[in-house]
Amino acid sequence: NAGVTQTPKFQVLKTGQSMTLQCAQDMNHNSMYWYRQDPGMGLRLIYYSASEGTTDKGEVPNGYNVSRLNKREFSLRLESAAPSQTSVYFCASSDAGTADPGELFFGEGSRLTVL
Amino acid sequence: RKEVEQDPGPFNVPEGATVAFNCTYSNSASQSFFWYRQDCRKEPKLLMSVYSSGNEDGRFTAQLNRASQYISLLIRDSKLSDSATYLCVVNQMDSSYKLIFGSGTRLLVRP
Repeated sequence: NAGVTQTPKFQVLKTGQSMTLQCAQDMNHNSMYWYRQDPGMGLRLIYYSASEGTTDKGEVPNGYNVSRLNKREFSLRLESAAPSQTSVYFCASSDAGTADPGELFFGEGSRLTVL
Repeated sequence: RKEVEQDPGPFNVPEGATVAFNCTYSNSASQSFFWYRQDCRKEPKLLMSVYSSGNEDGRFTAQLNRASQYISLLIRDSKLSDSATYLCVVNQMDSSYKLIFGSGTRLLVRP
């Protein structure tokens, strides 16, 4: 049972380079999310997708774009990476609308360093 | 002021101890509340939801005080395996995409 799978797990970029973080879930969840986690700060929502075909900005969307490719997949793109985007990125999914909307299922994280 | 505040710790306790974490939230309209657990360099996982009446799951008890806007987590008879960071999470609307995460409280349980 894979759950939420993220790739790559580690990446080092130079300032100005672009890259895409991939995320897929096999739980048939409607909602998917991208968070970043920095030391001393809580997880912060970058973008979310409440359902296939929709995406919305979260708390810290600047410098990122997303694509909800289908129900399973939600990708996060950094068009021109900056050192401030050095972070751990988590993809998550949930079956929003169930009795417990707060349960998010997270991927293992992607550790990104921008030099 | 942060929307969700937690003491970062670490709380360093011996096995068998009882430890309590508190969390305060600023938005009085918050609807639902949770505790997540995050092991070192791992992803967060839901530990338990927090209900108005308080709830218990084995050695773990969660309580909510809406009037004072704080949430607590009590761990009894601590185990080495309880060592982790505990994240307080507040849902400001009845929707997953409004979850606000605290920065976490780190617990170290020593033999």
